[in-house]
Amino acid sequence: EPEVTQTPSHQVTQMGQEVILRCVPISNHLYFYWYRQILGQKVEFLVSFYNNEISEKSEIFDDQFSVERPDGSNFTLKIRSTKLEDSAMYFCASSEARTVEETQYFGPGTRLLVL
Amino acid sequence: LAKTTQPISMDSYEGQEVNITCSHNNIATNDYITWYQQFPSQGPRFIIQGYKTKVTNEVASLFIPADRKSSTLSLPRVSLSDTAVYYCLVEVDSSYKLIFGSGTRLLVRP
Repeated sequence: EPEVTQTPSHQVTQMGQEVILRCVPISNHLYFYWYRQILGQKVEFLVSFYNNEISEKSEIFDDQFSVERPDGSNFTLKIRSTKLEDSAMYFCASSEARTVEETQYFGPGTRLLVL
Repeated sequence: LAKTTQPISMDSYEGQEVNITCSHNNIATNDYITWYQQFPSQGPRFIIQGYKTKVTNEVASLFIPADRKSSTLSLPRVSLSDTAVYYCLVEVDSSYKLIFGSGTRLLVRP
């Protein structure tokens, strides 16, 4: 069964450093998403992406965040200058279409720890 | 916006049937009801989705009454590996982003 993959599984960084989280969505999917989950809290939507542009972003997704699809397979989330409160699990998801009944498939996540 | 309410936690024993009910009083005509499962330190995993009546797949059943203001996820004969958080989601707007609540933490005991 095809699956979404994410790298790295864990990342430790110093406050103020840039991090890039990588995702490989399912190959025939066209819609991509990033979510995050702070330890013990809800899964929160960050951004959705389609046709090489952001479809929607949440208030969490400020100027420190950016997303990119640099090639035909990868989808990245960049945090330019990490803050302590960016420590969380970051999940990438993808879906084949964007309809109310379309399932989103999640990756295993990247655990980011900002020191 | 549709909002979901579900129990914070449930306990069960291996082999039992577990029913988790979610209320969504403000569900819109176009909204589907989707359940996801999340194990610790893993991404949410799609379980089942429905619009009305009953849907069944290899892992669960979903019961939706005619008024669609609630739904019940039914897990037959749970095992220890079903211990997880279960989220009831209702698509709420045209962007189709998933909005997760706090979910129901299911603990299956031996």
